[in-house]
Amino acid sequence: SYELTQAPSVSVSPGQTASIACSGDDLGNKYVSWYQQKPGHSPMMVIYQNSRRPSGIPERFSGSNSGNTATLTISGTQTMDEADYYCQAWDFTSYVVFGGGTKLTV
Amino acid sequence: QVQLQESGPGLVKPSETLSLTCTVSGDSVSSTIYYWSWIRQPPGKGLEWIGYRYYSGSTHYNPSLKSRLTISIDTSKNQFSLELNSVTAADTAVYYCAREGHGGHDFGYWGQGILVTVSP
Repeated sequence: SYELTQAPSVSVSPGQTASIACSGDDLGNKYVSWYQQKPGHSPMMVIYQNSRRPSGIPERFSGSNSGNTATLTISGTQTMDEADYYCQAWDFTSYVVFGGGTKLTV
Repeated sequence: QVQLQESGPGLVKPSETLSLTCTVSGDSVSSTIYYWSWIRQPPGKGLEWIGYRYYSGSTHYNPSLKSRLTISIDTSKNQFSLELNSVTAADTAVYYCAREGHGGHDFGYWGQGILVTVSP
């Protein structure tokens, strides 16, 4: 079955750039979405199709995907961005797959 | 605006069937564009995709749950449902219903989630 791997935690200082990675076999040939989840809340999509932002998502959120790694980048990280972040992709064999999640500490 | 709301019992006994319903507003489950999904999250753990269904009847289920799982649609109530049988404590989780977003095979809209505990 297809798997996505994320680091359990990432720390960043306010105002700095946070990078959250997601790795998987040939991931660059799949579409990746990213979700933000704050404690006690439902996940919210912040990036889809590797780099597109849904309406209402701040421009400081961006995404890229190449080779075996997709990356969510948060520029000028704010304390409100502290949350768990999950990557997600679709694969022909496993269909929908989520990464294990990364806890971002600001 | 699309809104989804889960409902169902918060406590299920082991070996019984977990049944949940998602009520949709702002969109129609009869839509032939989007699929309707269930996702769960065990306490303190990550997200696990359960499965999805198109209005047309096409379904895709997580292979690890497929033998116990049914997702159905009720167009008269604008709802879709989840049935997971022979549950164990490992099925204890917050269950979310969701609708595909605009990117395809993603989740643009989520319900608030419902905690289901499997316990005697």
